[in-house]
Amino acid sequence: TQLLEQSPQFLSIQEGENLTVYCNSSSVFSSLQWYRQEPGEGPVLLVTVVTGGEVKKLKRLTFQFGDARKDSSLHITAAQPGDTGLYLCAGEKRGGADGLTFGKGTHLIIQP
Amino acid sequence: DAGVIQSPRHEVTEMGQEVTLRCKPISGHNSLFWYRQTMMRGLELLIYFNNNVPIDDSGMPEDRFSAKMPNASFSTLKIQPSEPRDSAVYFCASRSSYSPLHFGNGTRLTVT
Repeated sequence: TQLLEQSPQFLSIQEGENLTVYCNSSSVFSSLQWYRQEPGEGPVLLVTVVTGGEVKKLKRLTFQFGDARKDSSLHITAAQPGDTGLYLCAGEKRGGADGLTFGKGTHLIIQP
Repeated sequence: DAGVIQSPRHEVTEMGQEVTLRCKPISGHNSLFWYRQTMMRGLELLIYFNNNVPIDDSGMPEDRFSAKMPNASFSTLKIQPSEPRDSAVYFCASRSSYSPLHFGNGTRLTVT
């Protein structure tokens, strides 16, 4: 059973379009992180959300943590080819003591 | 900062052979994690260490897998004997208390 479900698994859109990817769980997390991974490299942290209902912005990326701290979303505005990559969400159950649990990720392709 | 360093980057071996993957965490980080990534299962936590002590190895798939951390700057993941189903990308990651997780660029293992 996958603790964190990400959707969609694959998404291919045109440059300039907007998109939202989701990360859902039945478990409550103390924090949730979003990573981006490019081919041949390890995941790189984009953002950490901690408080239920929290919204964080990173340029054209908007991250939201659900009120119940069980789910999260990532919205990209005016997607660009440089946004192409694997987007992973990861949940942390306790304050840094345990390893993160990752979703399988959303493979995003932005076509020029 | 050199980041988390893994070696080798690629390993091709025959079934039954012993495989050793190596990791040098970021200096000052006191937690080290080994993950395995496949298309089918995503990123799975295998084992993690705090202050060189193994804390949770419940993710290690079988007794064929073992991991050591003899000092704060070095860890190994060993598979003996290797099997084709062990083929995956193996990531090492490190962090300090309540700081982000930093991944290496992984070792792509192919067992034929």
